[in-house]
Amino acid sequence: TQLLEQSPQFLSIQEGENLTVYCNSSSVFSSLQWYRQEPGEGPVLLVTVVTGGEVKKLKRLTFQFGDARKDSSLHITAAQPGDTGLYLCAGGLNGYGKLTFGQGTILTVHP
Amino acid sequence: NAGVTQTPKFQVLKTGQSMTLQCAQDMNHNSMYWYRQDPGMGLRLIYYSASEGTTDKGEVPNGYNVSRLNKREFSLRLESAAPSQTSVYFCASSEAFRGGPNEKLFFGSGTQLSVL
Repeated sequence: TQLLEQSPQFLSIQEGENLTVYCNSSSVFSSLQWYRQEPGEGPVLLVTVVTGGEVKKLKRLTFQFGDARKDSSLHITAAQPGDTGLYLCAGGLNGYGKLTFGQGTILTVHP
Repeated sequence: NAGVTQTPKFQVLKTGQSMTLQCAQDMNHNSMYWYRQDPGMGLRLIYYSASEGTTDKGEVPNGYNVSRLNKREFSLRLESAAPSQTSVYFCASSEAFRGGPNEKLFFGSGTQLSVL
C-alpha cells in the first residue's frame, strides 16, 4: 500500500505571510497532483508534476516534485484570504488510473 | 457545462436502512470513481469503474456495492447503513484509466451522509 503523508495538517496564518505544505512518501510515484477543495465542493486540480526536481508556478503558488519522485511541496507566497481551503496531494502511477491521496492540509488565511 | 452531478446533496439514514447515491457525468469520460472523505483521512477510494461494463474494489469497499449503469452513470449503494459509513461521498470521473501526466480527476460536489 502506498501512503502519502501531508504536513502540517492545519495551518492558520495572517494575510501576507508565506507558507509551505509538504507531501511525503516512501514510495515512488510517476506523477504528483495537487488539488484544492473549498467547503461544500469537490476537489479541483491545481497542478500535476511528473519529472523529478520539476518546479511549476501558478501565480503565487509554487509546486515542486522531489528529485526521487517520493515527495512534493506547495509554497504560497503572500497568502490571501481567498487561498483558504483544503489542499490535497495525490500520487499516481503511469498506466494505472487510481490515485493515492494524502490526508490534506486545512489552510486558513486571516485578513 | 454540468460536469459531474451527484444526488442527493444531503441524506440522513437510520442504521440498517438502504440507499443509493447517484452520479452522472456529461464529459464522455470512460472512468468513474467513488470516494469517501473523513476528517484527517483524505480521500479513500471505495470502488471504481475503469470503463463501461467493469467495476473493481478500491481501498474501502466493505458495506458498499456499485453499478455502472451506462457510460454516464455510476451509482453507489449502501445495503444496510452503519454509523461508520457517516461521511462525505464524492463521485469523480476521468477521461481514461491510464494514469500519467495528463490524467485528471473531475469531482462532483459531494453527498453528506449521516447514519444515526
